[in-house]
Amino acid sequence: EAGVTQFPSHSVIEKGQTVTLRCDPISGHDNLYWYRRVMGKEIKFLLHFVKESKQDESGMPNNRFLAERTGGTYSTLKVQPAELEDSGVYFCASSGQLLYEQYFGPGTRLTVT
Amino acid sequence: RKEVEQDPGPFNVPEGATVAFNCTYSNSASQSFFWYRQDCRKEPKLLMSVYSSGNEDGRFTAQLNRASQYISLLIRDSKLSDSATYLCVVNSGGYQKVTFGIGTKLQVIP
Repeated sequence: EAGVTQFPSHSVIEKGQTVTLRCDPISGHDNLYWYRRVMGKEIKFLLHFVKESKQDESGMPNNRFLAERTGGTYSTLKVQPAELEDSGVYFCASSGQLLYEQYFGPGTRLTVT
Repeated sequence: RKEVEQDPGPFNVPEGATVAFNCTYSNSASQSFFWYRQDCRKEPKLLMSVYSSGNEDGRFTAQLNRASQYISLLIRDSKLSDSATYLCVVNSGGYQKVTFGIGTKLQVIP
């Protein structure tokens, strides 16, 4: 069974540009989460989808971040326009029936210069 | 005060040693607790859930102390392959929302 996949693995963009990160959860997992780890800090929750609906987006930093999960399958996280402080590793995770048993993807390392 | 606090370490221990990590949490309403393991530049992976009665999985034992609001992880007979960062994760009271600690780095040396 394929795990959670994320694309791209690395992205380097300039301040003010737009970047879109993609996450493909484990097939059949209704729950999808986005997290971010800024260097030297804890992994922080961004938001949680149940199928295509946003269950909790309390961790989204500001309105420059937009997450979607059309059709309840893969999800995208767009940052527009990117700022220097957006640099970090963005993890996606999914879970099925065991709600707290989250499986993480390898992450996307975003560098904003 | 952080919601979940961990000593970042590093803990350098010889092979075969027993090592224990603690993690404290501030939200007394938290119900679910976990230990995740993260290898360098890799994703976190669930190591074990922590139950009120404590639980054991091979060389790993997890304990929960609700009165003092901390959880612990004990690793016996440390192996070189145990070297990693151990993340304490606590549900934050919201629907499936969890809070991560900074992680404790363990280095097992030959």
